[in-house]
Amino acid sequence: DAGVIQSPRHEVTEMGQEVTLRCKPISGHDYLFWYRQTMMRGLELLIYFNNNVPIDDSGMPEDRFSAKMPNASFSTLKIQPSEPRDSAVYFCASSFLSSGSEAFFGQGTRLTVV
Amino acid sequence: GENVEQHPSTLSVQEGDSAVIKCTYSDSASNYFPWYKQELGKRPQLIIDIRSNVGEKKDQRIAVTLNKTAKHFSLHITETQPEDSAVYFCAVPSGGYNKLIFGAGTRLAVHP
Repeated sequence: DAGVIQSPRHEVTEMGQEVTLRCKPISGHDYLFWYRQTMMRGLELLIYFNNNVPIDDSGMPEDRFSAKMPNASFSTLKIQPSEPRDSAVYFCASSFLSSGSEAFFGQGTRLTVV
Repeated sequence: GENVEQHPSTLSVQEGDSAVIKCTYSDSASNYFPWYKQELGKRPQLIIDIRSNVGEKKDQRIAVTLNKTAKHFSLHITETQPEDSAVYFCAVPSGGYNKLIFGAGTRLAVHP
């Protein structure tokens, strides 16, 4: 398996534009997580899915953020409209089993909103 | 929810010295305690983890110790090398076991 795959690796967009980040988890994993990393706030959990169902979105900062997982091999995180304070590295991670196990991270998407 | 505190935020050591990073948590039901390493510009990767039924686990130069009574666990790196320079994160599951909450991170610098 190629691991967790995220696209794009880098995204530069203008304030007000819609941004869509994409993630392909490791095949067979039943949990998928979206994290945001900034210098000020560290690694924040935004939302996670179990078997494609959103379980906890309490970390999603605002209604401008939304996430979907239409099937077991694909998830998106959308920001609409984007703002400069959304600039961060967004990581997708996946894991298997529900009793505590390794989370495998993608390479991240570095988002810059100007 | 789970509260995770990690100390120190930065750590500078000479090559060959030992480094210790400590993490405290609040949820006594937590039973899985991983440590992740993130090199500059890279993704976080698991380096070692421990479950609550053991007090210590070693893997070559790294070890993790757990004190469930005091609700803290520590990462120990012995004989540090320059390639150990990175940011290290502890994590603790909150609510559902797979909802990992990360500490703020420790930036370790190993000087030759």
